[in-house]
Amino acid sequence: DIQMTQSPSSLSASVGDRVTITCRASQSISHYLNWYQHKPGKAPKLLIYVASSLQSGVPSRFSGSGSGTEFILTITNLQPEDFATYHCQESYTTRLTFGGGTKVEVK
Amino acid sequence: QVQLVQSGAEVKKPGASVKVSCKASGYTFTSYEIHWVRQAPGQGLEWMGWMNPNSGKTGYAQKFQGGVTMTRNTSISTAYMELTSLRSDDTAMYYCARWDKKLYAMDVWGQGTTVTVSS
Repeated sequence: DIQMTQSPSSLSASVGDRVTITCRASQSISHYLNWYQHKPGKAPKLLIYVASSLQSGVPSRFSGSGSGTEFILTITNLQPEDFATYHCQESYTTRLTFGGGTKVEVK
Repeated sequence: QVQLVQSGAEVKKPGASVKVSCKASGYTFTSYEIHWVRQAPGQGLEWMGWMNPNSGKTGYAQKFQGGVTMTRNTSISTAYMELTSLRSDDTAMYYCARWDKKLYAMDVWGQGTTVTVSS
């Protein structure tokens, strides 16, 4: 099975910061990597699909990059509503494994 | 608008079963797979399986095979996830999500259903 590892597991940041989150796959998943934002009490929200495509309605301060085994989610100019947990998910296999999540907290 | 609305919170005893519903609206129910994902307290998201509402075909994560059943009622655009022989570690928030095959991603999610397993 493919293992998905996110780093860091948590980070502290301030409004206006640039934040990067890394997701590594245990084997190549081509570009089949999604990013979701999850806030407490809310449903997860799709941000980025197939590594770098921005989901409709998602602000352009969110971007994704990478292929193969290493992927990055970047949030530029962090906004108050961006404090949340971010999950990566591989869609290369039918197991659709998620990473462990990265919690972005207020510094 | 496109949405998935799930049934309310459940409290069950160990060994019991629970059936969570997920009602779709705003799109053609039979055109998109429904997937189920859970999140236990303090844990990450865990994919459980999928169902094709058109054919009824299903696929389950190995961990849940034999313990989960995903079904649907197309006349009311509703998907169901039944989990049997509940244990305390099945306590979690359960989400249904629509799989968009063009995006290779889950693009619409239900609001979640809390299932608590406690004696």
